[in-house]
Amino acid sequence: EVQLVQSGPEVKKPGESLRISCKASGYSFTNYWINWVRQMPGRGLEWVGRIDPGDSYTSFSPSFQGHVTISADKSITTAYLHWSNLDSSDTAIYYCARFGEFLDSWGQGTLVTVSS
Amino acid sequence: DIQMTQSPSSLSASVGDRVTITCRASQGINLYLAWFQQKPGEAPKSLVFAASSLQSGVPSRFSGSGSGTDFTLTISSLQPEDFATYYCQQYKSYPLTFGGGTRVEMK
Repeated sequence: EVQLVQSGPEVKKPGESLRISCKASGYSFTNYWINWVRQMPGRGLEWVGRIDPGDSYTSFSPSFQGHVTISADKSITTAYLHWSNLDSSDTAIYYCARFGEFLDSWGQGTLVTVSS
Repeated sequence: DIQMTQSPSSLSASVGDRVTITCRASQGINLYLAWFQQKPGEAPKSLVFAASSLQSGVPSRFSGSGSGTDFTLTISSLQPEDFATYYCQQYKSYPLTFGGGTRVEMK
């Protein structure tokens, strides 16, 4: 069974850094892109970016380019979403999702709260 | 970027009703269209991919149709567990883009 298990909720201050994780199991990790999707409070879904775990190639939405980075560790089948300088506007739930033929499997989401 | 426009943004319906949600792409996306269901406090769940293919385990009362720029998601007989928000999403090209969502509420 394909599973994506994300790290727990985070509370941070503006300007701080953060890394959240997405642990994959039940399939060959390097054969499928991992995508990240943001959902701000009470709002819709926005694509953040993706990584090919096989070679760590990444691409990002222009809205997020330069503000976040994505990485992956094949040895522990885990993908990460990183911020080096959080802003209050980063407060949201972040989902990881596997791209098979489409976004076919999703993690449970990680709530990130940024507040002074 | 490909813009996805869903309508309506919300609707009220009763159990047993037939419900149709539409999604329009700003340019042709062939059949690269997926539909997701999201309930409060939960992650999105995939329902339909390739415009009309049902994801494994999804009840047959859900169906998708369309190609090119115009798509629909139909629930043939609304069940209590179907009250949720529905999103379309194109995967013809990056950046991936979602519709704004349709909230299906109980009448």
